[in-house]
Parts: sequence; C-alpha cells; structure tokens
Amino acid sequence: DAKTTQPPSMDCAEGRAANLPCNHSTISGNEYVYWYRQIHSQGPQYIIHGLKNNETNEMASLIITEDRKSSTLILPHATLRDTAVYYCIVRVVGTDKLIFGTGTRLQVFP
Amino acid sequence: KAGVTQTPRYLIKTRGQQVTLSCSPISGHRSVSWYQQTPGQGLQFLFEYFSETQRNKGNFPGRFSGRQFSNSRSEMNVSTLELGDSALYLCASSLEAGLAKNIQYFGAGTRLSVL
Repeated sequence: DAKTTQPPSMDCAEGRAANLPCNHSTISGNEYVYWYRQIHSQGPQYIIHGLKNNETNEMASLIITEDRKSSTLILPHATLRDTAVYYCIVRVVGTDKLIFGTGTRLQVFP
Repeated sequence: KAGVTQTPRYLIKTRGQQVTLSCSPISGHRSVSWYQQTPGQGLQFLFEYFSETQRNKGNFPGRFSGRQFSNSRSEMNVSTLELGDSALYLCASSLEAGLAKNIQYFGAGTRLSVL
C-alpha cells in the first residue's frame, strides 16, 4: 500500500489560496489519490479525489503531477472554517480501504 | 438524507470488559468500513464489510471483530478491553464496494474510554 507524506502544518491568510502538497512516490497505477479533512475530532469529510487528471469541484482543486508521484490540493479562497487537518490518502481500486497518513494541520488566520 | 449514524457517541468501560459499537450507514449505502483514531497512531483501518461479508481487514488483533446485517447496518465488537483501546472509532459508508468513483462518508464517531 502506497504511503503519503505531508508537511505537518501550514498557515494561510483568510481569502488567500491554500496550497497543500502531498508526496506519494510509491503510488501504483491503480491507486487513487483522495483528500479528506477533519475538523476538531469530527468524522473526516470528503473533499476531492483523482487518478491522473486534474480535478475541480465546489470545494477545491486537485493537481496531480504527470508522474503521479505528488499532488497539491488547492483551496482557492480559504476561510476560517477551513481550519482543519487535511489528509492525503491513496486508495486501491477494488477496496474501500483508506490508508491515512499524518495529515497537514492548516491554520487559516484573519 | 440522513448521514452516517454511530451510537453511542461516548462510552466508558473498564479493562477486561467488552464493547459493541453500532453504525447505521446512509440510506442505500451497502459498504461499511471501520477505523480507529488515536493520538499516537492516527487513523487506522479496521475492516470493511459489503453484503454482510468482510472484504478487508486491517492489522488488529482478533479481539476486534465486526459484522454487517442484511439492512447494511454494522456493528463492531472489542473483547477483553485494554487501556490502549481508548480511541475514537469511526464508521464510513459508501454506495458500493471498491468502485473507482466510491466516496466514503464518515460518521461523527464513538469515543471509547477504557479505564
């Protein structure tokens, strides 16, 4: 199972874009990259996922490098409510097993 | 549509006891997974159920078990509780099992304290 590496913490000013990096250098061809966030011990909340193409939804954008060894989650206009721990996860297609790393604690400040 | 419901939200047990946690998935979801979250180990996968069958199991001792019922509701059981079992236990549900477009939705969790 591929592992992910994320910076332990990041800060972002409110209204600015938050760019959260993730390394997954051992990812396999059939593994998806998922992003979840967890706000203060609530259950993790799904944000976005992708295989090899960039993805965008109402919450965020996901940029995956061509070699798929890393990705970046972009929150275009961070708000105080985006303060949370963000997890970059790989998932093997065919299972629902999510392998969580240690995550990045994003602090959005006014 | 109601989200994933976990009961109870909080639980206090003593060492040696056993505990059963319950998870009701989102209506129409047939796959249920369980995770344990501790400050030291983070979020770790316990097991995954689909159509009343365990499809995957994480690296946990046999004291941890689970099952899924025909209505997709799931329970997990921990026997002979140890202090280290104190954790937030999270349940997640998804529409089908293992599909590429699957999204897992998590409940709020059950916080278990073992004294």
